[in-house]
Amino acid sequence: QSALTQPASVSGSPGQSITISCTGTSSDVGGYNYVSWYQHHPGKAPKLMIYDVSNRPSGVSNRFSGSKSGNTASLTISGLQAEDEADYYCSSYRSSSFYVFGTGTKVTVL
Amino acid sequence: EVQLVESGGGLVQPGGSLRLSCAASGFTFTNYWIHWVRQAPGEGLVWVSHINGDGSSTNYADFVKGRFTISRDNAKNTVTLQMNSLRAEDTAVYYCAKGGSYNWNPLDYWGQGTLVTVSS
Repeated sequence: QSALTQPASVSGSPGQSITISCTGTSSDVGGYNYVSWYQHHPGKAPKLMIYDVSNRPSGVSNRFSGSKSGNTASLTISGLQAEDEADYYCSSYRSSSFYVFGTGTKVTVL
Repeated sequence: EVQLVESGGGLVQPGGSLRLSCAASGFTFTNYWIHWVRQAPGEGLVWVSHINGDGSSTNYADFVKGRFTISRDNAKNTVTLQMNSLRAEDTAVYYCAKGGSYNWNPLDYWGQGTLVTVSS
């Protein structure tokens, strides 16, 4: 059950925009519009930031946006802030194994 | 307010068993899938198992199939993960998370996690 592929780290200065990619296959990311993104501050509960590729739950800043093209989904954080420094995970429904997460990306605010 | 509180973690020897619980509140428990997700030290999130609202449908990741059993008690708003034949590689923080009405829905609320350490 291989994980979706994310870059290990992405960094940016305050106010900048960054994009995190999430690459899967036609059996998961490419096959369904069920991609989610989670923010995880170590020691805390993960938080849902984006669901169904591009939808934001109530209360999540509009600085977070999601998209998908083929087998790759993306999370963009605009107007980067210090509080955005965290680990980010994508996830997707996968027909053979139901749920799969990405390898995770550490976001550093310089 | 939706709350999920895990308990039952601890130190266990290889080959041993442990029973994790997830106590839920703040939502209509029977309407939603509940998931277990784990994070090994220094590693990423990995989906482990889930169960539907009435407990009639369960699924497992291949690496726990046959060793872990998920169940729920809707009268007590709790979900249990019975873990048997534990291995060192099962060492992780285990999170329970609330899903949606369908098994492909996102995990919109998570607990703080409970640490399981498998070591002799």
